[in-house]
Amino acid sequence: TQLLEQSPQFLSIQEGENLTVYCNSSSVFSSLQWYRQEPGEGPVLLVTVVTGGEVKKLKRLTFQFGDARKDSSLHITAAQPGDTGLYLCGNPGGKLIFGQGTELSVKP
Amino acid sequence: SQTIHQWPATLVQPVGSPLSLECTVEGTSNPNLYWYRQAAGRGLQLLFYSVGIGQISSEVPQNLSASRPQDRQFILSSKKLLLSDSGFYLCAWSVGHDYEQYFGPGTRLTVT
Repeated sequence: TQLLEQSPQFLSIQEGENLTVYCNSSSVFSSLQWYRQEPGEGPVLLVTVVTGGEVKKLKRLTFQFGDARKDSSLHITAAQPGDTGLYLCGNPGGKLIFGQGTELSVKP
Repeated sequence: SQTIHQWPATLVQPVGSPLSLECTVEGTSNPNLYWYRQAAGRGLQLLFYSVGIGQISSEVPQNLSASRPQDRQFILSSKKLLLSDSGFYLCAWSVGHDYEQYFGPGTRLTVT
């Protein structure tokens, strides 16, 4: 079973700060996905990274897939209260396996 | 466009009672369907997934079961609920090889 470990588990920051969350595994993945979930709702896909070393940007969010395709990071620049939520990484395939998530709280 | 529905949105059931949660998908054919459970707002635990009618794979042995009576219908059931069955249940679908998953709004189940 491929396991995904996310860190940190909890992160509380002030509006305007930058942050990075991580997703690591001992296994190699063909691709990896990042989802964001707001309380009481289902996760929503943010991005899929497929190539080792790939960097994708989504407004203030920057996603990177490690060269060895075992890890990924999500960097948020100038965080806003609207970024608050649970960020999950998952490995797509026949059955999507998720990490435990990073719960982000951005205070105004 | 595709949509996914789950009901009920919230449910409070006593221990030992039966359970039936329903999920339907519109606007796509032969989707892969999934049931997840999320406890305390943390990571999602995959419970069941289905690649076609009548084809169900169970990921976690427990007192829950799943059925797919129609192409776009996925049902999660239990004959007797346990306190530990409380949680947020999410249904999801995907198609094709990219396996991007689209989640329903979820059902909040509280077993008392």
